[in-house]
Amino acid sequence: AQSVTQPDIHITVSEGASLELRCNYSYGATPYLFWYVQSPGQGLQLLLKYFSGDTLVQGIKGFEAEFKRSQSSFNLRKPSVHWSDAAEYFCAVGLPNFGNEKLTFGTGTRLTIIP
Amino acid sequence: EAGVTQFPSHSVIEKGQTVTLRCDPISGHDNLYWYRRVMGKEIKFLLHFVKESKQDESGMPNNRFLAERTGGTYSTLKVQPAELEDSGVYFCASSQASKAFFGQGTRLTVV
Repeated sequence: AQSVTQPDIHITVSEGASLELRCNYSYGATPYLFWYVQSPGQGLQLLLKYFSGDTLVQGIKGFEAEFKRSQSSFNLRKPSVHWSDAAEYFCAVGLPNFGNEKLTFGTGTRLTIIP
Repeated sequence: EAGVTQFPSHSVIEKGQTVTLRCDPISGHDNLYWYRRVMGKEIKFLLHFVKESKQDESGMPNNRFLAERTGGTYSTLKVQPAELEDSGVYFCASSQASKAFFGQGTRLTVV
């Protein structure tokens, strides 16, 4: 069975600073990989996804993530965070050919932005 | 186009009571999923409907949980009787062509 590890429960960064959220997965093959964000009072919003091809994927809101097969990682990055990025971020894996259906999520990383 | 809508947004009930959560998927989406996040834990898959049929209910925690999707439109998730450990956020998602959209979730608090 697949699993996802987000080792950082809570991260605090200054506005304008760079950000990297870590995600490691366990799966027998290359899964489909996703990052979701949940802002307060909102639902889960898809930031970006990786199915195949270029291992650096661009998402919405200036986020990007890099798939590294050798490290079983899919870390999320942003060069300069904005106060509106404060939210909880979830990494997830899905089964190939199932898109983002029946996902396995990590425990989430809560991001706090300080002025 | 309306997104996935969940009702209520927040529910507080006493242990032993019954609660019913509702999910209205995006119109035309055959696939509907329920997930749950218990405080501090990961979001876990509960079950998957294809139209009105349960395709996979391997994530349902126990028989106090009953999900239905009559007519293949909206879905309900009933918890009866509720226990303290049922507290959490219940998410619904609907999908078509391998693209899923999530609702805002229902926060259930059992006291």
